[in-house]
Amino acid sequence: GDSVTQMEGPVTLSEEACLTINCTYTATGYPSLFWYVQYPGEGLQLLLKATKADDKGSNKGFEATYRKETTSFHLEKGSVQVSDSAVYFCALSIGNDMRFGAGTRLTVKP
Amino acid sequence: NAGVTQTPKFQVLKTGQSMTLQCAQDMNHEYMSWYRQDPGMGLRLIHYSVGAGITDQGEVPNGYNVSRSTTEDFPLRLLSAAPSQTSVYFCASRNRPSEQFFGPGTRLTVL
Repeated sequence: GDSVTQMEGPVTLSEEACLTINCTYTATGYPSLFWYVQYPGEGLQLLLKATKADDKGSNKGFEATYRKETTSFHLEKGSVQVSDSAVYFCALSIGNDMRFGAGTRLTVKP
Repeated sequence: NAGVTQTPKFQVLKTGQSMTLQCAQDMNHEYMSWYRQDPGMGLRLIHYSVGAGITDQGEVPNGYNVSRSTTEDFPLRLLSAAPSQTSVYFCASRNRPSEQFFGPGTRLTVL
């Protein structure tokens, strides 16, 4: 079935370091891909999305490119801030179905 | 717009008790769903609904019931709570095929 596999955490970085969180997917059709972020004590919020191959989603300095050839949607940021500390979820959507990865906890230290 | 609202925020139950987690959305979304979040397992779909009067099972439906009498409301019922149902529960809504909007969550502990 459709599924998402993302890099296990936790990930700890210093402020201004580069971030990459890997995400790969398995799908029988043509999914839309998402990254959600969850701050402590809150629900998930959409960070960015891409609906077709080669699309690049971007928001708040984060980027991810929909790579059909490698079935990947890696999340990147060039310079992280303490305020980026959160749990990040990769997800795919086909029709009514939405599947989430296990989440990657990011901690950014000053 | 309030978005997706959930009540209560926290709940403690004893094994065997029943309760209903409330969820409401004011965005006129067709699609609503319930997830549980457990450490290291991401979000798992419990039940979902594609419109009023229509519900279906997700990945982990056992021990839970749902109904959808209106577009706005999608309550989740625990019939006889078990410690394995200790989790954080999230309600979400969307219109296909767009993003999901999540509620703030209900943290449930079953003793």
